[in-house]
Amino acid sequence: GQNIDQPTEMTATEGAIVQINCTYQTSGFNGLFWYQQHAGEAPTFLSYNVLDGLEEKGRFSSFLSRSKGYSYLLLKELQMKDSASYLCAVTDSNYQLIWGAGTKLIIKP
Amino acid sequence: IAGITQAPTSQILAAGRRMTLRCTQDMRHNAMYWYRQDLGLGLRLIHYSNTAGTTGKGEVPDGYSVSRANTDDFPLTLASAVPSQTSVYFCASSRTSGKSEQFFGPGTRLTVL
Repeated sequence: GQNIDQPTEMTATEGAIVQINCTYQTSGFNGLFWYQQHAGEAPTFLSYNVLDGLEEKGRFSSFLSRSKGYSYLLLKELQMKDSASYLCAVTDSNYQLIWGAGTKLIIKP
Repeated sequence: IAGITQAPTSQILAAGRRMTLRCTQDMRHNAMYWYRQDLGLGLRLIHYSNTAGTTGKGEVPDGYSVSRANTDDFPLTLASAVPSQTSVYFCASSRTSGKSEQFFGPGTRLTVL
């Protein structure tokens, strides 16, 4: 079966760094996406990894290890507006996205 | 319009009624998708379309149908609504299927009583 695992909830402090992990088991792999979703809103795209390594984009970075079926999203200099759910999604062999249940990130002052 | 829109924003529906959720994008994207999002379960794909004129079944297609008569529109129909279809429905589109980011509409909150 296909499975994507993320922690359900994480708490971090404003100004700190947090790492959100994602592990996956899918039928084929054609890339991994991270999306941000604020409560009551639609998901918005953060990053896409298809090759191993780290992709940096401002305060956000995403890492992929295909051999380990593992990715993480790193958020630096946390701000209150970063309080949201973070969704990991993998493109399978049929080029459809398989979504994790999301990690709710709570930022405390 | 710019981007992707959905209508209605929310709806309360009696069980057994027929309902069509509308989705329109103006980005000329080839691929479009319908998801439902339930607490604790994440996004689940209902139906998709890789290009105008074609559709496919996702993870949870039962009780739903779609059509893709043109590039811009991708309506989702519930033929006879049941309470288990109470959910938030998101329409999304992408330039191509699987390798490009998906852009999401604002969602439709549907309650079936």
